[in-house]
Amino acid sequence: GDSVTQMEGPVTLSEEAFLTINCTYTATGYPSLFWYVQYPGEGLQLLLKATKADDKGSNKGFEATYRKETTSFHLEKGSVQVSDSAVYFCALTRSGSARQLTFGSGTQLTVLP
Amino acid sequence: EAGVAQSPRYKIIEKRQSVAFWCNPISGHATLYWYQQILGQGPKLLIQFQNNGVVDDSQLPKDRFSAERLKGVDSTLKIQPAKLEDSAVYLCASSNPGQGSGDTQYFGPGTRLTVL
Repeated sequence: GDSVTQMEGPVTLSEEAFLTINCTYTATGYPSLFWYVQYPGEGLQLLLKATKADDKGSNKGFEATYRKETTSFHLEKGSVQVSDSAVYFCALTRSGSARQLTFGSGTQLTVLP
Repeated sequence: EAGVAQSPRYKIIEKRQSVAFWCNPISGHATLYWYQQILGQGPKLLIQFQNNGVVDDSQLPKDRFSAERLKGVDSTLKIQPAKLEDSAVYLCASSNPGQGSGDTQYFGPGTRLTVL
């Protein structure tokens, strides 16, 4: 079945550091890939997405590129802020009518001032 | 545009009691999902509705969990009787496959259930 593997957390960085959170997937066909973010006390919010190979999703300074050859969708940001502290989830939906999300286990990011 | 609404936000019950959660999706969204998020894990799909019909309930523990979406708008998820391992956050999400961003799911704030 489909699965998503994220790098183990928690991750602690200083403000303005470079961020990478690794994500790899296993799925049949051509899934759409997503990064969701969960701020403390809030629900999941879509951060960015990519729907086909080589697409780059970007939002709020975060980027991720859909790499079919390595089945990866790593999240990056050049300079993190304290306000980026949250839990980040990588997820996929398989092509087809169901569109159910399969999530990774999440990565807790803490950014220190 | 109003987001996905859920209530209650928190619930504490004892094992073997029953509990119900309510979800009102974004207006016009035909697809509604219920997910279970256990602490430290990613959300796991319980059930998916398209309008008022069930698309997939293969991961719903049907001996104790039930869900309905009678008028194709809001939905209720029930647990009866609850077990300790049901302690989790229950997330509702909605999407509209007819729109350009149809594969994007929008999540509510969740209901945190604690079973003692």
